[in-house]
Amino acid sequence: QVQLQESGPGLVKSSETLSLTCTVSGGSISNYYWSWIRQPPGKGLEWLGYVYYGGGANYNTYNPSLKSRVSISLDTSKRQFSLRLISVTAADTAVYYCARNWGVGHNFDFWGQGMLVTVSS
Amino acid sequence: QSVLTQPPSVSGAPGQRVTISCTGSSSNIGAVYDVHWYQQLPGTAPKLLIFGNNNRPSGVPDRFSGSKSGTSASLAITGLQAEDEADYFCQSHDITVGGYVFGTGTRVTVL
Repeated sequence: QVQLQESGPGLVKSSETLSLTCTVSGGSISNYYWSWIRQPPGKGLEWLGYVYYGGGANYNTYNPSLKSRVSISLDTSKRQFSLRLISVTAADTAVYYCARNWGVGHNFDFWGQGMLVTVSS
Repeated sequence: QSVLTQPPSVSGAPGQRVTISCTGSSSNIGAVYDVHWYQQLPGTAPKLLIFGNNNRPSGVPDRFSGSKSGTSASLAITGLQAEDEADYFCQSHDITVGGYVFGTGTRVTVL
């Protein structure tokens, strides 16, 4: 069974960088789309971007609304993928989820439990 | 921010049928991309409810069903139960975004 677990600081200061890691246990890392999704308190879900590993290379796609601030990397040896969001503001306060998708147009089949990150001034 | 529009809330008495709409455009649902539905209970991660427009994962009761037509999709819950009280989100792929998009979310209340 595939399991995902988010980790990182739960509090980040405004204008600084938010960094989270998702550890994947079970299943293969290759040929899946590994995403970060966030949910501000009381609001809906927003996909941030994904990293795909296949053919020995990583490929990234990011949500255009965040493209200049977000980056996602993958460490296959550690079975981890990471989110980096720069220049955060209070609007970036949210529960951050990591999730797996098996293809473009397809559904997310495994999710982490989520991690609340608060941006403080 | 959300590209897919859902009603904020729907409600029904136990045993009734409720439906949730998910309205998109020609760059997502109308562009032949499938629609998927998730149920989110308070304080938990979304759980896959319907995939590929109208398919239920193992373990999801057949009270839940999905459909898609044109640029919209719907989730129906028949025989509404107290445990169905939750938030529901649709999800698809969008050509303009170049990735995944979610609906605005609908809270289902069992009266």
